[in-house]
Amino acid sequence: SAVISQKPSRDICQRGTSLTIQCQVDSQVTMMFWYRQQPGQSLTLIATANQGSEATYESGFVIDKFPISRPNLTFSTLTVSNMSPEDSSIYLCSVEASLGQETQYFGPGTRLLVL
Amino acid sequence: DAKTTQPPSMDCAEGRAANLPCNHSTISGNEYVYWYRQIHSQGPQYIIHGLKNNETNEMASLIITEDRKSSTLILPHATLRDTAVYYCIVRERSNYKLTFGKGTLLTVNP
Repeated sequence: SAVISQKPSRDICQRGTSLTIQCQVDSQVTMMFWYRQQPGQSLTLIATANQGSEATYESGFVIDKFPISRPNLTFSTLTVSNMSPEDSSIYLCSVEASLGQETQYFGPGTRLLVL
Repeated sequence: DAKTTQPPSMDCAEGRAANLPCNHSTISGNEYVYWYRQIHSQGPQYIIHGLKNNETNEMASLIITEDRKSSTLILPHATLRDTAVYYCIVRERSNYKLTFGKGTLLTVNP
C-alpha cells in the first residue's frame, strides 16, 4: 500500500485567510483525491486532482474556493480560500495506484479550525 | 447517497469476535463491497473488499450472502484498538468515487 503524508497535520486559522494543504505519496499514483470531513460527519469527496489539467470537482465544490494543484504523480495541494468557521473540518487526501486497481488509501488528514 | 445500511453502533467484548453487518440490497452485479475503518478522526484505513466470494486477510474476514444483498465483516479476536467507526461501501471497480455513509461505531470493551 502507498504511504501518504499530509502537511500540516493541524492548523488554526483566522477567517478570511487561506491555507494550503500538501499531500505527498511515496510512489507514483494515477489517481489522487481530496475529501472533507466536517465535525461529526462522514467523508465527502471534494474533487479529483488531475495531473497536468484542472481538477474535477464534485457538486457543491468550486475551484475558486478549493483550488487544487497536481504537478506530478506523487504530489498534490488543496487550498482552502477565504476561510470561514464553516470550513473547520478534517481534510484528507487519498490515492489509487490506477483506476480500477481496486483499493484507495487515505492520508492521515489535516485538522483545520477556523476562528 | 450511500447505498448501504449499517447499525449506528455495536459493542463487543475484548477477545471475542466482532460481527458487523451491512445491507446493500440495491447492489449491482459489477459493484464490490468495501470496508474501511476510521479510528478517532484519523484517515480511513482500508480493511478488505470482495465481489461475491468470501474473503479473508490478516485483519478480517468478509462474508457476502449468496444474493449479495448483505455482508458481514468479522474481526475474529477484537482488541481495544479495534474501537473505531466501520464503513461499508459499495463501489464499481471502474468508478473511483467512494460514498461514505455514517458507518457503525464499534466499541470494544475490556
